[in-house]
Amino acid sequence: SQTIHQWPATLVQPVGSPLSLECTVEGTSNPNLYWYRQAAGRGLQLLFYSVGIGQISSEVPQNLSASRPQDRQFILSSKKLLLSDSGFYLCAWNRGGALVYTFGSGTRLTVV
Amino acid sequence: DQQVKQNSPSLSVQEGRISILNCDYTNSMFDYFLWYKKYPAEGPTFLISISSIKDKNEDGRFTVFLNKSAKHLSLHIVPSQPGDSAVYFCAARGTNSGYALNFGKGTSLLVTP
Repeated sequence: SQTIHQWPATLVQPVGSPLSLECTVEGTSNPNLYWYRQAAGRGLQLLFYSVGIGQISSEVPQNLSASRPQDRQFILSSKKLLLSDSGFYLCAWNRGGALVYTFGSGTRLTVV
Repeated sequence: DQQVKQNSPSLSVQEGRISILNCDYTNSMFDYFLWYKKYPAEGPTFLISISSIKDKNEDGRFTVFLNKSAKHLSLHIVPSQPGDSAVYFCAARGTNSGYALNFGKGTSLLVTP
């Protein structure tokens, strides 16, 4: 079966600390991968997408970066967190062109 | 720039009545539109979709209508149930950006008994 794992579920980090959120997909190959963020009172904003290993596209300029070191692994990182990085981060995958998008359970990040 | 807009942040409906959630978009190149239901601290759950070449799609209590000339779509839930209370997101799929979905800001639906 096809599943997506995202961790950790919650994270509290001080301003200026680094960040690493990991997302892995099982049961498929060469998925399109996405990172979204939902900030307080806002919708789901696309941060990054990847259509293949090492291929990362950024949708908005920000303090974050993404990497795809393996086919089914997508990592969201920051060298120094800002207060404005707080939010609910969602990883998702899609089989290119298909209409099914599977979302992870999300990570609640609070920067203090 | 927000390409998908949900202008009503909240909606309250009585159980058994119809819930109508609205969504507007600006990009005429979107090929599919999807509706998701989301609870706090969870990922969105897919409800229903519609192709840009259709004007209606129905699945049980959920019906989505698309007015392409007005760049407007709506989700109808009939009859509404208390378990439908959640945040509903409208999403549109572009054919670039790796087929990423563009989401609206969501509408919080409350169905009261």
